[in-house]
Amino acid sequence: EVQLVESGGDLVQPGGSLRLSCAASGFAFGIYSMNWVRQAPGKGLEWISYISSSSGTIYYADSVKGRFTIFRDNAKNSLYLQMNSLRADDTAVYFCAKEVAGTMDDWGQGTLVTVSS
Amino acid sequence: EVVLTQSPATLSLSPGERATLSCRASQSVGAYLAWYQQKPGQAPRLLIYDASNRATGIPARFSGSGSGTDFTLTISSLEPEDFAVYYCQQRSNWPPRFTFGPGTKVEIK
Repeated sequence: EVQLVESGGDLVQPGGSLRLSCAASGFAFGIYSMNWVRQAPGKGLEWISYISSSSGTIYYADSVKGRFTIFRDNAKNSLYLQMNSLRADDTAVYFCAKEVAGTMDDWGQGTLVTVSS
Repeated sequence: EVVLTQSPATLSLSPGERATLSCRASQSVGAYLAWYQQKPGQAPRLLIYDASNRATGIPARFSGSGSGTDFTLTISSLEPEDFAVYYCQQRSNWPPRFTFGPGTKVEIK
């Protein structure tokens, strides 16, 4: 059974940093592309970052480019999101999602990031 | 950049009724469109990929159709557990990004 478990969400002050983790199990993590998707309270889904299986290709949404960094450790079956210069509008539940051919076929349960003073 | 528009924003129906949800793309996305279901407090769940293929374990009452710019998700007969928010999603090669529609809430009438 595919499992994706996010962690690292917390309350952080504006301008602060946070690192999210996503622990994967139940599938061959190293051969799949992965994504981070977020959802602000009461809002829709927003894709924010993509990383290919080998980390050779990385994309970001304009809203986080230059502030967030996606990376992975295939030996540890883990995906990460380093978030810097956090703003109030980064407040959201952050999901990691496994991707196959442009479709996100498995999702974690999400971790809440709150940016507030 | 592709923009996805979903209609209606809210659909009020009774169990047993047929639900028809629309997703329109600002430019052609071929057949590369997916549909997700999300219930409160839960992660999204993939229902349909490549416009018309049901994901593993998805009941046959869910079906997808369309290509190019106009897509439809149909729930043939609503079950109580189908009341949720539904999102469409596509991936574009340039600029490289994934886009979600704003969602359609299917609520109990």
